[in-house]
Amino acid sequence: GQNIDQPTEMTATEGAIVQINCTYQTSGFNGLFWYQQHAGEAPTFLSYNVLDGLEEKGRFSSFLSRSKGYSYLLLKELQMKDSASYLCAVRDDSGAGSYQLTFGKGTKLSVIP
Amino acid sequence: NAGVTQTPKFRVLKTGQSMTLLCAQDMNHEYMYWYRQDPGMGLRLIHYSVGEGTTAKGEVPDGYNVSRLKKQNFLLGLESAAPSQTSVYFCASRVGVGDTEAFFGQGTRLTVV
Repeated sequence: GQNIDQPTEMTATEGAIVQINCTYQTSGFNGLFWYQQHAGEAPTFLSYNVLDGLEEKGRFSSFLSRSKGYSYLLLKELQMKDSASYLCAVRDDSGAGSYQLTFGKGTKLSVIP
Repeated sequence: NAGVTQTPKFRVLKTGQSMTLLCAQDMNHEYMYWYRQDPGMGLRLIHYSVGEGTTAKGEVPDGYNVSRLKKQNFLLGLESAAPSQTSVYFCASRVGVGDTEAFFGQGTRLTVV
């Protein structure tokens, strides 16, 4: 099974930098994803890490340490539109070739002026 | 190219009624998933399919059935709806083994009274 933990809520100021952490325990790790979900909308893909290190994509970066079961999503130059929930998800090889995608409960980020 | 389409978008059911939620994808994806999202619980996997004619149980399968008779469609059925099944339901699809992100439909908001 999987256990994925991330903070429930965070608040940050417009223009600042915020780091959202995610820790996980899984038996067959095969990649970690970050999704963004605005209220009332579907999740949309942000980033993917399968190897250790930092992946940068514009204002968003994601880091993975497989040995520590740890990832973070870094958002730079925060904008009001970044107010959303950020979902950490782990892809797990359950042994049946299904590659299930299991989500954490999400971190609700509020960006304030 | 519509991506992942869910119907209906909203529905109110009385306890004991049945209904089917339809998920259709036009991306020729092999893997399809049904999740439910409840406040404070995150996205939880109900059932999934790794190809036409195959289905498997996820984390919270009780009270739901699924079918994948055609590759592009994944149906979620509630035979006898209960108030505990009030939720937002999301369908997602992925190319298959070795790919990256999952694409989500816009969700179905179901209320059981």
